[in-house]
Amino acid sequence: DVKVTQSSRYLVKRTGEKVFLECVQDMDHENMFWYRQDPGLGLRLIYFSYDVKMKEKGDIPEGYSVSREKKERFSLILESASTNQTSMYLCASSLSLPRTSPSTDTQYFGPGTRLTVL
Amino acid sequence: GNSVTQMEGPVTLSEEAFLTINCTYTATGYPSLFWYVQYPGEGLQLLLKATKADDKGSNKGFEATYRKETTSFHLEKGSVQVSDSAVYFCALSPLGSSASKIIFGSGTRLSIRP
Repeated sequence: DVKVTQSSRYLVKRTGEKVFLECVQDMDHENMFWYRQDPGLGLRLIYFSYDVKMKEKGDIPEGYSVSREKKERFSLILESASTNQTSMYLCASSLSLPRTSPSTDTQYFGPGTRLTVL
Repeated sequence: GNSVTQMEGPVTLSEEAFLTINCTYTATGYPSLFWYVQYPGEGLQLLLKATKADDKGSNKGFEATYRKETTSFHLEKGSVQVSDSAVYFCALSPLGSSASKIIFGSGTRLSIRP
């Protein structure tokens, strides 16, 4: 089974702190994603990466950055945390396969990190 | 652009009731369609998917049929259980999307009463 782990389930930080959220997957997936989940808004894509050292902005990248130095690890960084970044953060990974493959597109999620910024 | 609209929750049903959660989409061409489920305290997991028109995805008694003519992918189950209580997300992956990007709906919370 694919396993995606996130470094913390719950995190409390203060405004202005630098925050690192770590995500590790054990299935050699090329693609990795960071989302935030807020009530009534569903999941919104922050950043994604399709290869080591490659990254692309998602729909809401402002206030965030990412790092992918190794294939299995994708980090989300809040340079200066703000209260409006209080949210549930979900990491996911997926394979890169031909579009016709039935295994393509499916994303596998970690359990999430609930971040509170005071 | 690409988007997913699903019925707002919460949806509360009694055990053994019939379930329908509506989902419609807007996309170019033939996207892949998904239902993901999030149980309390967990991340999302794939429930079922369909990759072309008229395909039916099914898993754990849930079904959804890819309807191109109505741009819909409604989730159904004939007899729900308390253990089905969760948040359900309809989603699509646009044709030709890079890195298998997925666009999610806002989620529907389902609560089943014993």
